[in-house]
Amino acid sequence: DIQMTQSPSTLSASVGDRVTITCRASQSISSWLAWYQQKPGKAPNLLIYKASSLESGVPSRFSGSGSGTEFTLTISSLQPDDFATYYCHQYNSFPYSFGQGTKLEIK
Amino acid sequence: QVQLVESGGGAVQPGGSLRLSCAASGITRSYGMHWVRQAPGKGLEWVAFIRHDGSNQFYVDSVKGRFTISRDNSKNTLYLQMNSLRAEDTAVYYCAKGKGVVPGPCDYWGQGTLVTVSS
Repeated sequence: DIQMTQSPSTLSASVGDRVTITCRASQSISSWLAWYQQKPGKAPNLLIYKASSLESGVPSRFSGSGSGTEFTLTISSLQPDDFATYYCHQYNSFPYSFGQGTKLEIK
Repeated sequence: QVQLVESGGGAVQPGGSLRLSCAASGITRSYGMHWVRQAPGKGLEWVAFIRHDGSNQFYVDSVKGRFTISRDNSKNTLYLQMNSLRAEDTAVYYCAKGKGVVPGPCDYWGQGTLVTVSS
């Protein structure tokens, strides 16, 4: 089974900052990686799929990169609405798996 | 507009059973569907997937042999039959639509239904 490891677990940042979250896979998953945003009490929201494709309706300040085993999610200029928890998700092979999450907090 | 509405959650004793349902609307064709769960205060855990036509099902190891995912395309409804429930199955269970024709990520999610396994 493929294990997904995100870093950091918690990230403190300010509005306007550029932030990067990293996700590592225990084996190659090509580009079969997605990123989600989740706010408390709500379902996750798909941001990025196939490592770097922006889901429709998602602001362009979100971007993804990487392939193989190392991936990043970047938010170019943090907005107040972006403080949430972010998860990566591999869908290269079953059983699918998520990273443990990165909580983005206001500094 | 795609809408997914889960139901069937509740409190159950260890060893008991529950069947979750997910009613879909606004989807013009069949897609693969997922169940994903989230224990209180914890991260997301992928649970199961079923292909658009129900031909194949896949599970996380911890639920194999206890949970069964199924669908009734005539009713636009997804199911998760959960047997031999354990305390560690306590979670909010989300159904989610797969993006695209081949198995992929989850692009639409329901609001979730809470399952509590406790004596």
